[in-house]
Amino acid sequence: AQSVTQLDSQVPVFEEAPVELRCNYSSSVSVYLFWYVQYPNQGLQLLLKYLSGSTLVESINGFEAEFNKSQTSFHLRKPSVHISDTAEYFCAVSETGGFKTIFGAGTRLFVKA
Amino acid sequence: EAGVVQSPRYKIIEKKQPVAFWCNPISGHNTLYWYRQNLGQGPELLIRYENEEAVDDSQLPKDRFSAERLKGVDSTLKIQPAELGDSAVYLCASSLDSASSYNSPLHFGNGTRLTVT
Repeated sequence: AQSVTQLDSQVPVFEEAPVELRCNYSSSVSVYLFWYVQYPNQGLQLLLKYLSGSTLVESINGFEAEFNKSQTSFHLRKPSVHISDTAEYFCAVSETGGFKTIFGAGTRLFVKA
Repeated sequence: EAGVVQSPRYKIIEKKQPVAFWCNPISGHNTLYWYRQNLGQGPELLIRYENEEAVDDSQLPKDRFSAERLKGVDSTLKIQPAELGDSAVYLCASSLDSASSYNSPLHFGNGTRLTVT
């Protein structure tokens, strides 16, 4: 069975600084990987996804994540964060051929002025 | 497109009382999910529907939880009787169909925050 570990529960960072949110997964088969973002009092929204092909995937608001199969990681990065990026970020994994999406416990990103 | 709609947004009840949550998925989405999100945790799947059929309810506590999706569109999740430990956010999500559910994004509603006192 697959599992997801988000290594940091909270990440405080100053505005315009770079940030990395770490995610490691465990699975015995090939996987699809996702990052979802949850703003206060809202549902989760897809930020970006890795299905196949290029291991580096990007979102429209400047986030990127890189699939590293050997390290079973899918870390999320942004070179310069904004106050509006303050939210909770969830890493998720689905096994290819499976129907279940497993979520990590989440990382709360807090961007300070 | 209109998103996934859930109601109510908030619900406060006393333990042993019943409660129900309602979800209307995105039009055309055949797959519907109910997730529970405990404080400080990620969402955990309770049940998945393909049209009106519950195809994965292995994580649903069947002694007190029930769900239905009678016409394959909107869905209701019920708890009877509620316990203190049921306090959580209940999220509904939908996706296009089973063939894509493992590699297509889930579209979530804003959730119902349940507080059991």
